[in-house]
Amino acid sequence: SQKIEQNSEALNIQEGKTATLTCNYTNYSPAYLQWYRQDPGRGPVFLLLIRENEKEKRKERLKVTFDTTLKQSLFHITASQPADSATYLCALEGGSGNTGKLIFGQGTTLQVKP
Amino acid sequence: GAGVSQSPSNKVTEKGKDVELRCDPISGHTALYWYRQSLGQGLEFLIYFQGNSAPDKSGLPSDRFSAERTGGSVSTLTIQRTQQEDSAVYLCASRGGGAPDTQYFGPGTRLTVL
Repeated sequence: SQKIEQNSEALNIQEGKTATLTCNYTNYSPAYLQWYRQDPGRGPVFLLLIRENEKEKRKERLKVTFDTTLKQSLFHITASQPADSATYLCALEGGSGNTGKLIFGQGTTLQVKP
Repeated sequence: GAGVSQSPSNKVTEKGKDVELRCDPISGHTALYWYRQSLGQGLEFLIYFQGNSAPDKSGLPSDRFSAERTGGSVSTLTIQRTQQEDSAVYLCASRGGGAPDTQYFGPGTRLTVL
């Protein structure tokens, strides 16, 4: 069955360091992969989208890679700040009859300490 | 409106009662999604409306769950004969165009079934 896995353990890092979050998937061939940020008590907020034919996408301090061979996406936050503390969700879309529907991972909580 | 709105923000009900949750999407958005998020978990897809097409109901967990979208705008998610395991945050999202546009989420409705 299709499966999306993100590290369930919280990631704790020091301010200024680079945070790297992982999203792995199996039995799925997504056309697009998206990353969202979710703060407690709020709905997810879109951050970045990367297509299957793109290797890397950047936005300010954020970088996303997409390796369709490894079936993995890495999400990097450089020069992390305490305000970056939140839960980050990856979501896949497209392919295998799932066009238009986003399938979410369970999210990884990031805690940036000052 | 400026964003996706949901009502009520919180709903406490007794086991066996029916509940209705409302979602007002961003004006003009053709796609509307319902998700469920249990404590500490990722988003579970429930149902997806796209324009006038038949909705994708593949995520509804049981026949106690149903949803409708009137006039291509407002949507109502109905849960009949609620059970304690239905307790969760119910999130609605809308999207303007087809893939790979982003989804815009509402703040969610926290449902507690006693």
